[in-house]
Amino acid sequence: DAGVIQSPRHEVTEMGQEVTLRCKPISGHDYLFWYRQTMMRGLELLIYFNNNVPIDDSGMPEDRFSAKMPNASFSTLKIQPSEPRDSAVYFCASSALANYGYTFGSGTRLTVV
Amino acid sequence: AQSVTQLGSHVSVSEGALVLLRCNYSSSVPPYLFWYVQYPNQGLQLLLKYTSAATLVKGINDFEAEFKKSETSFHLTKPSAHMSDAAEYFCAVSARNNNDMRFGAGTRLTVKP
Repeated sequence: DAGVIQSPRHEVTEMGQEVTLRCKPISGHDYLFWYRQTMMRGLELLIYFNNNVPIDDSGMPEDRFSAKMPNASFSTLKIQPSEPRDSAVYFCASSALANYGYTFGSGTRLTVV
Repeated sequence: AQSVTQLGSHVSVSEGALVLLRCNYSSSVPPYLFWYVQYPNQGLQLLLKYTSAATLVKGINDFEAEFKKSETSFHLTKPSAHMSDAAEYFCAVSARNNNDMRFGAGTRLTVKP
């Protein structure tokens, strides 16, 4: 298996633009997680899905953020409009069961200027 | 709800010395516990996990951790540090009845020659 695949690896965008981050989980993993990592706040759970259904989105910072999982092999995290304070590394992770641990993607480094 | 506290945001050891990274957890139900490692510009990788079998858990690269219920601890150790161990290490906890993992703030390990 190729692992969790995220795209793009790097994204530089101007404030106010829409940004879409993409994730392909490991086949057979029923859980998918979106995290944001910054120096100031560390790793923050934004949202997670179980069997394509959002379970907990309490970590989504505000309405500018939205996430979808239209099928078991694809998820998106969208920021519209983007702001400089959204600059961070965004990780996607997938998991089979609670005792398996998570497999993380390589992350998307987002810079909003 | 469960949480973890990592004691020490930065640990520095000499090459060949013992590595000890501290983690204490809080959980209202029996937990699953994990250690992850993050190398620069990469995602998190699972080092080892405790899922209620043996309390002493061995992971990759000679790392191990011991679950101590009486101390609510899950400290990570390695007998002899190698330069390649320099990275950020995250302790994490999840409850057995869900797959919602909570991460500590991380400990940056520096290995001096």
